[in-house]
Amino acid sequence: NAGVMQNPRHLVRRRGQEARLRCSPMKGHSHVYWYRQLPEEGLKFMVYLQKENIIDESGMPKERFSAEFPKEGPSILRIQQVVRGDSAAYFCASSPTGYFAEAFFGQGTRLTVV
Amino acid sequence: SQQGEEDPQALSIQEGENATMNCSYKTSINNLQWYRQNSGRGLVHLILIRSNEREKHSGRLRVTLDTSKKSSSLLITASRAADTASYFCATDPDSGGGADGLTFGKGTHLIIQP
Repeated sequence: NAGVMQNPRHLVRRRGQEARLRCSPMKGHSHVYWYRQLPEEGLKFMVYLQKENIIDESGMPKERFSAEFPKEGPSILRIQQVVRGDSAAYFCASSPTGYFAEAFFGQGTRLTVV
Repeated sequence: SQQGEEDPQALSIQEGENATMNCSYKTSINNLQWYRQNSGRGLVHLILIRSNEREKHSGRLRVTLDTSKKSSSLLITASRAADTASYFCATDPDSGGGADGLTFGKGTHLIIQP
């Protein structure tokens, strides 16, 4: 079992571009969670998805951010028109059952906006 | 990989007592963070301690860091039933400007008996 895989590990985008972050959950896990870590701060929850459904997006910024977890393929966190303040590490976790139980974390994607 | 190792894996104490959890890690770090996860909820950031700090307080929480031993402890004083949760440590490695991201331990499950 390869664990939670996130790619890319590092992503550099210019202001105004789009960033797409991918998360492949562990085998058998159908629940995915995205977190953001701003520099020198702790993780903050963004969104919880189950296959094809958004369960809880209470931590998602209202604009420019979206997430999906299609029936096939990885979960995608999409940030449109990136700004410098989006520079952060984005972590994905997955779990076999719902509501964060037994969640395993990926290594994260470090987004740098220049 | 889960670098942090929390100890004990499970802890059950009476309400009002103090709870101590420990975390050991292997590599040099920029900071170490403690998180709480209540059943069915996402991670909540509790406290961050930097590598040049030895002790930090936040309310009923006290965190110590010993970089020579590569260990940290979380003390919760005057425990309450609402403190029942899983507690995780996460290390932010000192990767010389790289972006290895946070690595989490498996957690200590704390149960406060009323």
